[in-house]
Amino acid sequence: GAVVSQHPSRVICKSGTSVKIECRSLDFQATTMFWYRQFPKQSLMLMATSNEGSKATYEQGVEKDKFLINHASLTLSTLTVTSAHPEDSSFYICSARPGREVDGYTFGSGTRLTVV
Amino acid sequence: AQSVAQPEDQVNVAEGNPLTVKCTYSVSGNPYLFWYVQYPNRGLQFLLKYITGDNLVKGSYGFEAEFNKSQTSFHLKKPSALVSDSALYFCAVREKAAGNKLTFGGGTRVLVKP
Repeated sequence: GAVVSQHPSRVICKSGTSVKIECRSLDFQATTMFWYRQFPKQSLMLMATSNEGSKATYEQGVEKDKFLINHASLTLSTLTVTSAHPEDSSFYICSARPGREVDGYTFGSGTRLTVV
Repeated sequence: AQSVAQPEDQVNVAEGNPLTVKCTYSVSGNPYLFWYVQYPNRGLQFLLKYITGDNLVKGSYGFEAEFNKSQTSFHLKKPSALVSDSALYFCAVREKAAGNKLTFGGGTRVLVKP
């Protein structure tokens, strides 16, 4: 079946540094990918929609300059957390839809970011 | 705007007993409904979906869900729960008018005790 690979699975970084998270569709092309953030014991909150070859669409309240999204190819979207702070520590998950409009979405395995 | 509610934060059930996880939704048009399961520090795994057709949908790992339009519900069920079913379950809705966005419920933690 369709697979979305997310890397790294876990990262620890120092405050003020930037971290890049990669999301790859392994056996399908994804013109659109989605980035979610999940706080402990909470639901997934959509951060942004990543569009291949164009600018990402950010949800209200999400700082686009802090969470940089690049979708340069049909199989890769990246999320860069710039100038990370401890409050950015969270679980980040990407997803893509491998098939038709009525099909479900495939999710990456997530990235646990800890900013110290 | 579309929304999803999962009224129970946690459901406890004994192994072998029936399991039900509740979900209600709100959309202005026809909904596409999904159930996902999440294990610790992992992404979401697809269980089942309702798009159209039969109201009773069968999915992975013996799970099923019933779409009830009048009650705007899409409860997840399993006739006989396993300890390995212990996880976090999310209901999600997508309305065609909302583009490709999935809206998730708050999640329900299921604990199956041996």
